Amino acid sequence: AQKITQTQPGMFVQEKEAVTLDCTYDTSDPSYGLFWYKQPSSGEMIFLIYQGSYDQQNATEGRYSLNFQKARKSANLVISASQLGDSAMYFCAMREGVGAGGTSYGKLTFGQGTILTVHP
Amino acid sequence: DVKVTQSSRYLVKRTGEKVFLECVQDMDHENMFWYRQDPGLGLRLIYFSYDVKMKEKGDIPEGYSVSREKKERFSLILESASTNQTSMYLCASSLISGREAKNIQYFGAGTRLSVL
Repeated sequence: AQKITQTQPGMFVQEKEAVTLDCTYDTSDPSYGLFWYKQPSSGEMIFLIYQGSYDQQNATEGRYSLNFQKARKSANLVISASQLGDSAMYFCAMREGVGAGGTSYGKLTFGQGTILTVHP
Repeated sequence: DVKVTQSSRYLVKRTGEKVFLECVQDMDHENMFWYRQDPGLGLRLIYFSYDVKMKEKGDIPEGYSVSREKKERFSLILESASTNQTSMYLCASSLISGREAKNIQYFGAGTRLSVL
């Protein structure tokens, strides 16, 4: 079973508008972390934002925010005021096995990715 | 800034060749990872290492091996390359993981390998 699911293979947005990229996850671990990465055409993965399972508030980093709905097991990325440079592949990822006794060594499980295209 | 450097951006090899993909990080990170990225499948973990000379299999280790003789360097080895190993390979590193869930992985620019 997929642990991380990104159901949108591609998304289009007009410059300066907001866009939401969907991510749902599946875990029975009470302690986990969720990450979003951006991959431009150059290939390098760039860390954007992190949400911990026990965090009380939704994470924000500049124009990026994470809409974390724990009961629904979703962690959607919201990009406000889209820019042409936001055109890229976006990946959602999860780290499990943290907390007392955790031995995940920081391993991440990634979703399939969403290609975002920003139109001028 | 953390820097993870992969030795080649593009490689073309022939079936049956032994292939080495090299990765070096300059931030004294304990953990290093090798992923392959294929369209529609996202990133899948091949192998990782949490210390020098230590390695653990990831989700798709078949056909690959790794070597970590020095802390900063992690090599991925294709013993006998096959066409189904044509892919984008990404290396990453992170600090040692304790109880902290926020353990950011930093990635190299990737190596696009074609096996003919």
